[in-house]
Amino acid sequence: DIQMTQSPSSLSASVGDRVTITCRASQSINRYLNWYQQKPGKAPKLLIYPASTLQSGVPSRFSGSGSGRDFTLSISSLQPEDFATYYCQQSYSTPYTFGQGTKLEIK
Amino acid sequence: QITLKESGPTLVKPTQTLTLTCTFSGFSLSSSGVTVGWIRQPPGEALEWLALIYWNGDERYSPSLKTRLTITKDTSTNQVVLTMTNMDPVDTATYYCAHTPTVPGPFDIWGQGTMVTVSS
Repeated sequence: DIQMTQSPSSLSASVGDRVTITCRASQSINRYLNWYQQKPGKAPKLLIYPASTLQSGVPSRFSGSGSGRDFTLSISSLQPEDFATYYCQQSYSTPYTFGQGTKLEIK
Repeated sequence: QITLKESGPTLVKPTQTLTLTCTFSGFSLSSSGVTVGWIRQPPGEALEWLALIYWNGDERYSPSLKTRLTITKDTSTNQVVLTMTNMDPVDTATYYCAHTPTVPGPFDIWGQGTMVTVSS
C-alpha cells in the first residue's frame, strides 16, 4: 500500500490567515492526489484533483500543487467556513489510501 | 444530478455479516470509467478506503480487509452492495459510498454515510 502522511495533524489559525497543509506519499504517485474537506457530521467534499484542479464550485482561495511524492494544499485567506478537517488521498494505485487528516481550528 | 445513499443496519452483533446497500441515481455504472467505492470512518478517526467496483465489474479491495469484503453491483436497480463478514467492535464506523467519474480519479460525489455500531 502507498502510505500518505499529512502535516501538521492540527493547525490553529485566524480568519484571514494563509495556511498550507502538506501531504507526502511513500512513493511517487505522479499527480494523482486529491484533497477533501470534511466538517463534523458531514461527508467529505472534494476540493482539488488531481493535485491542482479546483472542483467546480470550490472558492479560488483554495489551491493545490505538487507532483511525485510531495503535495500542498493552500488556503489564501481563511474564512470562517474553512475551519474543518482536510484529507489527502492518492488515486494512483489501489488501495486508494487517505492521509490521517489535518484539523484546522480557529485560533 | 448525481446522488448516492447508503442503507443497512445500524447495529450488528460481533461475528455477524454486515450488508450495506448504496442506491444511486444520475449516472450509470455501465458507463466506461465510472466506479463506486466504499469508505469508512470510525468515530473521531480518519477515512479508510475499503473497496471499489468498476463499470466493467472489476473489483478492488483493501488488502487488510480483502478476506472479509465483497462488493457487487446491480446496474438494473442502480445499487452497489458491500458485505463485510465477521464483524468486530473495531468495525464500528460511518460507512460511505462515493462516485468516481473516471479512472483514475477522485470521489467527486459522496453519500451521506450510515453509522454502523458493532456490539453485543
